[in-house]
Amino acid sequence: SAVISQKPSRDICQRGTSLTIQCQVDSQVTMMFWYRQQPGQSLTLIATANQGSEATYESGFVIDKFPISRPNLTFSTLTVSNMSPEDSSIYLCSVTLTPGMNTEAFFGQGTRLTVV
Amino acid sequence: SQKIEQNSEALNIQEGKTATLTCNYTNYSPAYLQWYRQDPGRGPVFLLLIRENEKEKRKERLKVTFDTTLKQSLFHITASQPADSATYLCALENAGRRALTFGSGTRLQVQP
Repeated sequence: SAVISQKPSRDICQRGTSLTIQCQVDSQVTMMFWYRQQPGQSLTLIATANQGSEATYESGFVIDKFPISRPNLTFSTLTVSNMSPEDSSIYLCSVTLTPGMNTEAFFGQGTRLTVV
Repeated sequence: SQKIEQNSEALNIQEGKTATLTCNYTNYSPAYLQWYRQDPGRGPVFLLLIRENEKEKRKERLKVTFDTTLKQSLFHITASQPADSATYLCALENAGRRALTFGSGTRLQVQP
């Protein structure tokens, strides 16, 4: 299994500012995923973060708005830039231990972001 | 386009009864399907995975069926307990990206 620590657990931010969310995994993983969960909605994939290469973004998400770093196999950050109230959401990081082997995904506890 | 649909209305049942949740999908040919539980303020937690060549999978009080012809999975919780109250999500692999695409989830409320 994998244990994921995500920080901060929640924050209230002013519009126009940026917030960086950290995700630390207790084992080395090839792929890390960032999801957004808007109030009352399901999870939407933002991007896939691979170590040593640029993140791959899903339709509707761009690097300028959600820059991602992946400096090593146990850590990643997601920044929410130039925030607006529409960015208020829960942000979750996730990993799978053996990509392509149809195994379970592990999630952090999420970061609840409120933009005012 | 690809879609995963779950009943968005909450399911309310009495303790001891069997809860049955439905997951339907379109424009997918999944090799497997997963079910997760999510409690308020927490990330999803994996429950069960069923492969395309498996009709049924069980784990304690949980049972999942997978009908690739109907493009449907059913998730059953037998002898339900108030502690089973949560949102249950089904998920399929996002082709080529190894990430999961989730349904909207069904909230289950088990009344004592």
